[in-house]
Amino acid sequence: DTAVSQTPKYLVTQMGNDKSIKCEQNLGHDTMYWYKQDSKKFLKIMFSYNNKELIINETVPNRFSPKSPDKAHLNLHINSLELGDSAVYFCASSQEGGSYEQYFGPGTRLTVT
Amino acid sequence: RKEVEQDPGPFNVPEGATVAFNCTYSNSASQSFFWYRQDCRKEPKLLMSVYSSGNEDGRFTAQLNRASQYISLLIRDSKLSDSATYLCVVNGGQNFVFGPGTRLSVLP
Repeated sequence: DTAVSQTPKYLVTQMGNDKSIKCEQNLGHDTMYWYKQDSKKFLKIMFSYNNKELIINETVPNRFSPKSPDKAHLNLHINSLELGDSAVYFCASSQEGGSYEQYFGPGTRLTVT
Repeated sequence: RKEVEQDPGPFNVPEGATVAFNCTYSNSASQSFFWYRQDCRKEPKLLMSVYSSGNEDGRFTAQLNRASQYISLLIRDSKLSDSATYLCVVNGGQNFVFGPGTRLSVLP
């Protein structure tokens, strides 16, 4: 059983398009996250979300928007894709609070051409 | 100063060697500390949490020095399978902050 799953695994698209990446966790966790890992391998948080609060990293462009239909899902929607958006995007989840480990999905490798 | 800094690496060591990774963090209010490992083209996975008193898990030992805002990871008797990037992670209350990682290659 996959604890945190993401689809698609690979996504190749052209500049200007709008795309979504889906994430699901079956761990019963309260908090989910989106991270971006760029070509230099630096992992940066984009959003964290539970049923009470969305915390946005202020450096994330508003072209990126998280959407959570329910506690087990946190999708990432990206408008007007740019070349610089090319990266690996990881979804993660954890129990609420900062003392608990995060479980990561396998990542979505986005390439914008 | 970056929030979490690590040895730049890469570290290339022979099998059986002992290797130590260092990490410093800037937020003195940080409460939770972790080491994750990330294999090439894979997701990060928890290696171990780091407790104030220090903790050990087999060949791995983690230490925390709150006064110096410093975390370490010691790997004894390195195996080929230990080759990966090791990420220091700190949580100051709102979000997890990942260090840039230190790459380890264990050579036969």
